[in-house]
Formats: sequence, C-alpha cells, structure tokens
Amino acid sequence: GQNIDQPTEMTATEGAIVQINCTYQTSGFNGLFWYQQHAGEAPTFLSYNVLDGLEEKGRFSSFLSRSKGYSYLLLKELQMKDSASYLCAVRDRSGYSTLTFGKGTMLLVSP
Amino acid sequence: GAVVSQHPSRVICKSGTSVKIECRSLDFQATTMFWYRQFPKQSLMLMATSNEGSKATYEQGVEKDKFLINHASLTLSTLTVTSAHPEDSSFYICSARDSLRNPADTQYFGPGTRLTVL
Repeated sequence: GQNIDQPTEMTATEGAIVQINCTYQTSGFNGLFWYQQHAGEAPTFLSYNVLDGLEEKGRFSSFLSRSKGYSYLLLKELQMKDSASYLCAVRDRSGYSTLTFGKGTMLLVSP
Repeated sequence: GAVVSQHPSRVICKSGTSVKIECRSLDFQATTMFWYRQFPKQSLMLMATSNEGSKATYEQGVEKDKFLINHASLTLSTLTVTSAHPEDSSFYICSARDSLRNPADTQYFGPGTRLTVL
C-alpha cells in the first residue's frame, strides 16, 4: 500500500517563494508526480521525479529523495493564479502504473 | 499535445437512472485509461484501471456491476454509473496514459464530470 502525507493548507504572499513538502511510505516506487488543481477543475501535470535530485521547470521546481521518502515542490515568484490545490502522487510498480494521490495542499496566495 | 476530453461536464439525474460519461484522448492513443472519483475537499480516489480490449481492473470497494467501464478503442473509455443514488454524487475524472510519446508515462487528466443525483 501507499501512504502519502502533505500539509493541508499553506498561505503565502505574491512574489514570495513557497515550498510544499510531501512524504511517502510505499511498498513500491516508480516515480513521484506533482499536479496542480484549481477548484472544480481536473489536475494538470506540473512535474515528475524518479531519480534523486532537483528538476526545474520555470517558476516551479521539484525535489526527490528516495532514501528519505521525501519530495518538495518549490514555487517561485508567486502569482495570484497559483492559488490552487497541489497534489503529490506516487506511482507504484504495478503493471498499469497506477497513481496514489495525497490529499493535496491548498495554497492561498494573497496580495 | 496530450489532450483528454470528458463529456458531459455536468449532469443532473434522478435517483435510479443510469449515467454514461465518456473520456477521449484527442491527440494520442491511450492503451490505459483511469477513472477517479473526488469528493469535496478530498483527494482523487482511483476507481478502476481500464485497458483497451480487456476487462477493467477495479479498486477494492468499488462495485464493478455499478460502475461499468468499457474501453472499446484506443481513444475512448466510458464509465456508466448504473442505478445512480444521491451518494454517487461526485466529481468523476478520467486520465489517460501516453506511453508512446512520454517516457515519464505521465497521466493526463480530462476536465472532469460533475454528477449530481437528486
């Protein structure tokens, strides 16, 4: 089975940097994904890590440490539109590569 | 690329009726599609994994006779909620896996279907 933990809510101000952490305990591991989900909409893919280290994509970066079962999503130069829920998801080793999602971190960006 | 559509976006139905939701991969072939359900302020819960040309694999606790899944082609999967009840009201989201073009095997999500059962 999989257990994925992330903070429920975070707040930050426009222009700031915020780090959203995710820890996982899994029976298998084949990659970690971060998705952004605005209220009432489907998740959109942000990043993917399968090896240890940092992946950078514009204002968003994601880090993975497999030995620690830990990842974080780093958002720089925050904008109001970044207010959303951020979902951490782990892929197991099953043949169909199913994803198990954390409950999501609701980020509120204020002026 | 990697666009997934869902239809309808919203549906309101009476208790006891059946509702069909379509999920299409518009610009790629998806051998595998996934169906999720999301209740308010909760995370996505995987309901079933759908493979083209074979029976779907249901997660524990999901009734396969109530949630019928058909993956008849490489671009279309359907979820039919049979004899819907108010407790089935939820946000249903499908995703499709683009294995050929994306080495990360990323799942791309449809826009979701809001089901309300009266």
